[in-house]
Amino acid sequence: GAVVSQHPSRVICKSGTSVKIECRSLDFQATTMFWYRQFPKQSLMLMATSNEGSKATYEQGVEKDKFLINHASLTLSTLTVTSAHPEDSSFYICSARSGTGPGHFGNGTRLTVT
Amino acid sequence: GDSVTQMEGPVTLSEEAFLTINCTYTATGYPSLFWYVQYPGEGLQLLLKATKADDKGSNKGFEATYRKETTSFHLEKGSVQVSDSAVYFCALSGAQGAQKLVFGQGTRLTINP
Repeated sequence: GAVVSQHPSRVICKSGTSVKIECRSLDFQATTMFWYRQFPKQSLMLMATSNEGSKATYEQGVEKDKFLINHASLTLSTLTVTSAHPEDSSFYICSARSGTGPGHFGNGTRLTVT
Repeated sequence: GDSVTQMEGPVTLSEEAFLTINCTYTATGYPSLFWYVQYPGEGLQLLLKATKADDKGSNKGFEATYRKETTSFHLEKGSVQVSDSAVYFCALSGAQGAQKLVFGQGTRLTINP
């Protein structure tokens, strides 16, 4: 089946630094990728939708300058958390799809900002 | 806007018990409905789905039927196992536009031996 690889699985960074999370579709071309954020014991909240070669569409309330999304190729999208702060600590999950449908999820990245 | 409501957890059952996790939705048009499972520290795995009214999705002994008249998609399993312990999310995908997923709040299920 379709495989989506997310890297790193865990990252700890200091407040004020930036962190990049990668999401790769390994065996299909992902025309659309979704980035979600999940707080402890809560549901997933969609942050943004990105289509290959175009700017990401952010959900209301998500700071586009803080959460930079790049979808430069059909197999790779990156989420960069800029100037991270402790409140950005969370579980970030990507989903990738080709065509229609909900897509396939990566295993997530647990970000801890100290 | 579209929304999904799941029964509140956590749910704790004994092995071989019958499981029901309720899910209702609000959406325009005819959404597709999904159940996802999340094991500790992992991403989401699609458990089952249904794309139109009266469809029944099934996988690994789990079932859910798309009920348009009650706007529901309840998850059931006849005999749960310890390995079923996880968080379960009900979700819908709208019929139009970006087809992004809208998730319920998740239900944590613990099965005791």
